[in-house]
Amino acid sequence: QSVLTQPPSVSGAPGQRVTISCTGTSSNIGAGFAVHWYQQLPGAAPRLLIYADIHRPSGIPDRFSASKSGSSASLAITGLQGDDEADYYCQSYDNSLSGSRVFGTGTKVTVL
Amino acid sequence: QVQLQESGPGQVKPSQTLSLTCTVSGDSFGSADYYWSWIRQSPGKGLEWIGYIYYSGSTYSNPSLKSRVSISRDTSKNQFSLKLTSVTAADTAVYYCARDSDLGQPGNWHFDLWGRGTLVTVSS
Repeated sequence: QSVLTQPPSVSGAPGQRVTISCTGTSSNIGAGFAVHWYQQLPGAAPRLLIYADIHRPSGIPDRFSASKSGSSASLAITGLQGDDEADYYCQSYDNSLSGSRVFGTGTKVTVL
Repeated sequence: QVQLQESGPGQVKPSQTLSLTCTVSGDSFGSADYYWSWIRQSPGKGLEWIGYIYYSGSTYSNPSLKSRVSISRDTSKNQFSLKLTSVTAADTAVYYCARDSDLGQPGNWHFDLWGRGTLVTVSS
């Protein structure tokens, strides 16, 4: 049911850089609506990681960054750490489903 | 500091109505800056937005659930509630309440604060 597509999993060794893609359509990301990213640690609620495409809330380290182009967006994690192992979700707004907030399929990040 | 807390029965029988309440601590509940949303996550699955209520009382729900969803609020208690009718096993999920904001930019809606979530199991 998710409208935005993410890879099921990505992995990397400690210290490495990983990226997660989020692919949408012309009715959501491609229409210019902002993309937001959430981190969900095991057994915990999601927390906001990136909002409005590129902005980090207070307390989020600058190892997390994001970008957007066309109908896609991506999240990058540099200097990968063990406690980055979590599920990551992108989210946007879809104007074909008026009023609807839509999530990505989610990506599991594994630290090798 | 604003916090959200879900409450309600952990088990509901098939065909019955799921009812949950979210209590918002802090002074942002009556603000025009925020929407208040429900989101769920089935076991081992991704996130699904259910719907929101605005400070004015207006509501909107995910079209896939719209016929079964009702969201209301009690401003005197800083609470908003979810009712989901005719539940089946597919409605078994962790239900989260969240604060929903666009920072004044329409289309920028995102969830900046979340409750811890509550597991609701649909089973006889």
